[in-house]
Amino acid sequence: QSVLTQPPSVSAAPGQKVTISCSGSSSNIGNNYVSWYQQLPGTAPKLLIYDNNKRPSGIPDRFSGSKSGTSATLGITGLQTGDEADYYCGTWDSSLSAGQVFGGGTKLTVL
Amino acid sequence: QLQLQESGPGLVKPSETLSLTCTVSGGSISSSSYYWGWIRQPPGKGLEWIGSIYYSGSTYYNPSLKSRVTISVDTSKNQFSLKLSSVTAADTAVYYCARHRIYYDSSGYISDWFDPWGQGTLVTVSS
Repeated sequence: QSVLTQPPSVSAAPGQKVTISCSGSSSNIGNNYVSWYQQLPGTAPKLLIYDNNKRPSGIPDRFSGSKSGTSATLGITGLQTGDEADYYCGTWDSSLSAGQVFGGGTKLTVL
Repeated sequence: QLQLQESGPGLVKPSETLSLTCTVSGGSISSSSYYWGWIRQPPGKGLEWIGSIYYSGSTYYNPSLKSRVTISVDTSKNQFSLKLSSVTAADTAVYYCARHRIYYDSSGYISDWFDPWGQGTLVTVSS
């Protein structure tokens, strides 16, 4: 059971937009920054978004992040078949069991 | 370009200690502001952070694994290492190393992210 809750799967057609949610609490998302990772099949995760909404160099602006209260959202526009992957949110949990935590992951299918 | 590479045995017996090393190239492990972390992923499952270390030796560990984990750093070799004791089949996973940025902003909020990641190495716990 992950500290951060993500939908197991989402799907959309090529060219469309999709959003992936990540729900937490005041001890994690509510008071810390969120990052997002893309894991293509058989590869290591790659950083997509950090500090809630910042993109590392080389990440296209089709990917965006936002945060409101204790939830965060990853948005992907202009979906491509190459975007089919698992997506994970992450943040720091400042509770008594402090440390870095990930969501359970969301499988994106581009139909 | 910073690169990380995991190395170590791919098979460990139950009750023994899993040992992995991450070699950093293209940059110094002694860079300020960055920790160096270990993350694992059981087959078909999600990501789990194990722990992270600063070049000075300061560490953060996942509370659920803390009693079995030791992470160390060797700045002379630009490497950091993971030891996980008393392993069971539940510790079978792909183990990744990554650079881990952790910092507190002016409001006390914590920003952290992992980038880049190593390619990962599968460790199977089996007799």
